Amino acid sequence: EDQVTQSPEALRLQEGESSSLNCSYTVSGLRGLFWYRQDPGKGPEFLFTLYSAGEEKEKERLKATLTKKESFLHITAPKPEDSATYLCAVQTSNSGYALNFGKGTSLLVTP
Amino acid sequence: DAGVIQSPRHEVTEMGQEVTLRCKPISGHDYLFWYRQTMMRGLELLIYFNNNVPIDDSGMPEDRFSAKMPNASFSTLKIQPSEPRDSAVYFCASKGEVNTEAFFGQGTRLTVV
Repeated sequence: EDQVTQSPEALRLQEGESSSLNCSYTVSGLRGLFWYRQDPGKGPEFLFTLYSAGEEKEKERLKATLTKKESFLHITAPKPEDSATYLCAVQTSNSGYALNFGKGTSLLVTP
Repeated sequence: DAGVIQSPRHEVTEMGQEVTLRCKPISGHDYLFWYRQTMMRGLELLIYFNNNVPIDDSGMPEDRFSAKMPNASFSTLKIQPSEPRDSAVYFCASKGEVNTEAFFGQGTRLTVV
């Protein structure tokens, strides 16, 4: 059975304090690893897709990386508007085109 | 495009009543997904469709849940009879053949009392 584990569950940062969120996975036949952002009361919003180990993608203050066992979402010099829950999900040969989500990391960035 | 549209946004119902959640996917998308989100279990897939045909319904909790997609622009998720443990936020998402990512609606918050 595919498993996705995110850590930490919650993270509090000062504005400008860089950090990383972790997503470890145990799956059969990874097709893609996805990162989403979710704001309170809203649906998840797509950030990145990574397909193979060694791949990296960047968007503003966010950078996602992938290894054979885990993915990291690096947040450089975060701002309060980066506060949200960050969700990691995998698409595998078991799941078809559906996504199997981790439980997320709740990020709070204080001024 | 207005994105994935779900209705209602909030639903409060009494135990035993029938509940119908609605979803309009993004025009041209071939895949439609229903997910449920709770604090305890996170986001879980219930069912997904490709070209209006159910592909994987293994996440549907039990026979009280049913989903239909009568055409490419509309899907429903029905719970009959509803129970308090069905209280959750239900999300619909869609994706096209070209896009790899799924786009989510704003969700329906269901409370069964």
